[in-house]
Amino acid sequence: QVQVQQWGAGLLKPSETLSLTCAVYGGSLSRNYWGWVRQPPGKGLEWIGEFSQSGTTNYNPSLRGRAAISVDRSKNQFSLKLSSVTAADTAIYFCARVDRGVLPPFYYYYYIDVWGKGTTVIVS
Amino acid sequence: SSELTQDPDVSVALGQTVRITCQGDSLRSYYASWYQQKPGQAPVLVIFGKNNRPSGIPDRFSVSSSGSTASLTITGAQAEDEADYYCNSRDNSENNVQFGGGTKLTVL
Repeated sequence: QVQVQQWGAGLLKPSETLSLTCAVYGGSLSRNYWGWVRQPPGKGLEWIGEFSQSGTTNYNPSLRGRAAISVDRSKNQFSLKLSSVTAADTAIYFCARVDRGVLPPFYYYYYIDVWGKGTTVIVS
Repeated sequence: SSELTQDPDVSVALGQTVRITCQGDSLRSYYASWYQQKPGQAPVLVIFGKNNRPSGIPDRFSVSSSGSTASLTITGAQAEDEADYYCNSRDNSENNVQFGGGTKLTVL
């Protein structure tokens, strides 16, 4: 069974760079998509971005280019950096495994089947 | 921009059936996935694809869809089903992933 373990700094000052890492156990980064989701206090889920088996990345446009996901396949880990943080970036951050594709007759699917426990990041 | 819309609050009497809806244009070409989240915990996938449940999810959870609306149905709601529920999809035209705003389900 695939499991993920995440870690990173939990307290940042405005304008600093958020840095989180997610290690994957029992699975391979060369299969599925992998990414990050966050949840501000008392609010809903927000997709941050993801990368594909080939390494192609895709980000939420609302983050205006501040997010960057990198991959270390030798360690089976991936990381998130979010630059120029503000109080609005205060949230619980989850790493996640994504499955996506298309089913006949031509209907797509997208879901997250593995979630990290979450890392609370406070910007203050 | 396209988005997914959910009712913020829904309640159901214990043992009764409840439907939680999710509306959005992307659902015309995507199956919605659904997640259950309890306080202080990570979300848990409860439904994906046409109507698939991960191992361990009770069969009282099911989905249906029509046009731009997807519905999660809990048949015979239990006290442990009280949680927040989120729908999720992807918008191919905007190359973006969406979550609904979430529905807080109260089991009375």
